[in-house]
Amino acid sequence: SQTIHQWPATLVQPVGSPLSLECTVEGTSNPNLYWYRQAAGRGLQLLFYSVGIGQISSEVPQNLSASRPQDRQFILSSKKLLLSDSGFYLCAWSDQGARGYTFGSGTRLTVV
Amino acid sequence: QKEVEQNSGPLSVPEGAIASLNCTYSDRGSQSFFWYRQYSGKSPELIMFIYSNGDKEDGRFTAQLNKASQYVSLLIRDSQPSDSATYLCAVEGSGTYKYIFGTGTRLKVLA
Repeated sequence: SQTIHQWPATLVQPVGSPLSLECTVEGTSNPNLYWYRQAAGRGLQLLFYSVGIGQISSEVPQNLSASRPQDRQFILSSKKLLLSDSGFYLCAWSDQGARGYTFGSGTRLTVV
Repeated sequence: QKEVEQNSGPLSVPEGAIASLNCTYSDRGSQSFFWYRQYSGKSPELIMFIYSNGDKEDGRFTAQLNKASQYVSLLIRDSQPSDSATYLCAVEGSGTYKYIFGTGTRLKVLA
């Protein structure tokens, strides 16, 4: 069966520090991969999605970037965090049949 | 700007009652619709998806879709306190792999 791993679970980082969040999927190949952010009391905002290795689409211009170095690995990065980057970051995957995303357990990021 | 609208709630229902959650969407070309449940502090989990007009039942849950009215709903029968959560409606953008999420409706089931 397919599983999705996301880490770390919580993170407190100072303003201006770098960020790297990792997500891996097991038990499937060529998944669609997504990064979403959920700010406190707000909806899910799509940040990036990828339909294949090296193929990244950005939805929101900001100081974040994403990479997909391997088929089942998706990384979210920042060179310098802003206070506004705080939120709940969720990785998700879906197969090509698009029968719903499966989310990872999320990373709660607090920028101080 | 394609949108998905939900009443934020909270929607309070007594234990054993039917909870009705509603969602409207703006992209007339959307073909796939999803309901997620999110407990506080947790990630969303998929509970239903529906593609065709009409009703789709799965246990205590029924999803209803009316593409002409651009309206999708979720009914929860025999509501339990464990159903207390935020319910997110998601719509797949036409011709894309991307889902647009509503802001969610918070449901409180009172024991």
